[in-house]
Amino acid sequence: DGGITQSPKYLFRKEGQNVTLSCEQNLNHDAMYWYRQDPGQGLRLIYYSQIVNDFQKGDIAEGYSVSREKKESFPLTVTSAQKNPTAFYLCASSIEAGTASTNEKLFFGSGTQLSVL
Amino acid sequence: SQELEQSPQSLIVQEGKNLTINCTSSKTLYGLYWYKQKYGEGLIFLMMLQKGGEEKSHEKITAKLDEKKQQSSLHITASQPSHAGIYLCGAVTGTASKLTFGTGTRLQVTL
Repeated sequence: DGGITQSPKYLFRKEGQNVTLSCEQNLNHDAMYWYRQDPGQGLRLIYYSQIVNDFQKGDIAEGYSVSREKKESFPLTVTSAQKNPTAFYLCASSIEAGTASTNEKLFFGSGTQLSVL
Repeated sequence: SQELEQSPQSLIVQEGKNLTINCTSSKTLYGLYWYKQKYGEGLIFLMMLQKGGEEKSHEKITAKLDEKKQQSSLHITASQPSHAGIYLCGAVTGTASKLTFGTGTRLQVTL
């Protein structure tokens, strides 16, 4: 079945440590996104990628890094510079990233809960 | 300030009752999406509205888009425990090629 797979489901980070969250999709979608969800704040965009080897910062990119070496994969690294990393992280993909387009419909993974030890 | 405001933030209704959730944008809407989320899980797509006055229904859920008011409403008829969860609206606003999401509405359905 086609879909988006995020791993791990739960992740713990020690202070000063970098951690990487995995996101893989087999939907053949061009665009992929990372969102952060905090209680009462909805979803905030961290990074997005419209095509392989290209990505753009979202609204809260500081302390995070991404890569898009393959169409199927868009891993997110939470660096030690991110001082408040505890949150629920959601990866999503769409056929393409456009404006006022039906192809903007996002398909979401099941999320990764990151906590600080 | 938040581009998309949802109201109410939380809602508790008795099974069988109707309810409405609103999503208001501070910018021109070019497309409005409704998603549902179970706690600790990903988002499930419900409906997308693109044209002013457009109305869509799926089972007992109806969504409308009022383009002039820059607002959308989600109405659930005869609520059931399976409707419980967090409802989020998302929109393409302005020229940004990305979705912005509202703060969400947490719905509980009591027996």
